[in-house]
Amino acid sequence: RKEVEQDPGPFNVPEGATVAFNCTYSNSASQSFFWYRQDCRKEPKLLMSVYSSGNEDGRFTAQLNRASQYISLLIRDSKLSDSATYLCVVTLQRGGYNKLIFGAGTRLAVHP
Amino acid sequence: ETGVTQTPRHLVMGMTNKKSLKCEQHLGHNAMYWYKQSAKKPLELMFVYNFKEQTENNSVPSRFSPECPNSSHLFLHLHTLQPEDSALYLCASSQEGGWDEKLFFGSGTQLSVL
Repeated sequence: RKEVEQDPGPFNVPEGATVAFNCTYSNSASQSFFWYRQDCRKEPKLLMSVYSSGNEDGRFTAQLNRASQYISLLIRDSKLSDSATYLCVVTLQRGGYNKLIFGAGTRLAVHP
Repeated sequence: ETGVTQTPRHLVMGMTNKKSLKCEQHLGHNAMYWYKQSAKKPLELMFVYNFKEQTENNSVPSRFSPECPNSSHLFLHLHTLQPEDSALYLCASSQEGGWDEKLFFGSGTQLSVL
């Protein structure tokens, strides 16, 4: 089983739509969780951290469910500029250091 | 501008060439990383340096050789690569230590091995 699993998509949605992505992780010892965004041919950039209490930043809401070992990202009122690949990331501590494990990403395409 | 600079942006090399990728971070971070990103695959961690010491070598073939002369600079020396090594190579840095570890990536080097 992959350490971090995501639906690759693509999710094709019209502008203004609400879209949600899920990500599951296999190691219950995972400590921290993030969503990164990667535009085509560009580097990943941190979108937001994910906390047990949930985290909202404008149109974006991230949730963590430790019992079921998944995190989610909800995007409301989608914009054309939201088109990108969204990477789920979890952190494990190994050998005294934190190791970030990336999912393969979910591609979102927002159309007019 | 993320504060992490990578050069070159693109590199084409033959299997017998020797080349180096360079990364520099201006963020005062203590940890630096090399990642490999192949099409439709997750980012693969290659090497981690914390305070200039290599703390992780993720079973990377010896044809990839990292070098970290100080906390701000990281190199990846390439020698006798294979065509399957063609990928996007990303450097990243972070303020090592806390659980809330956030990575800052460079723009990457798109490598093609012929």
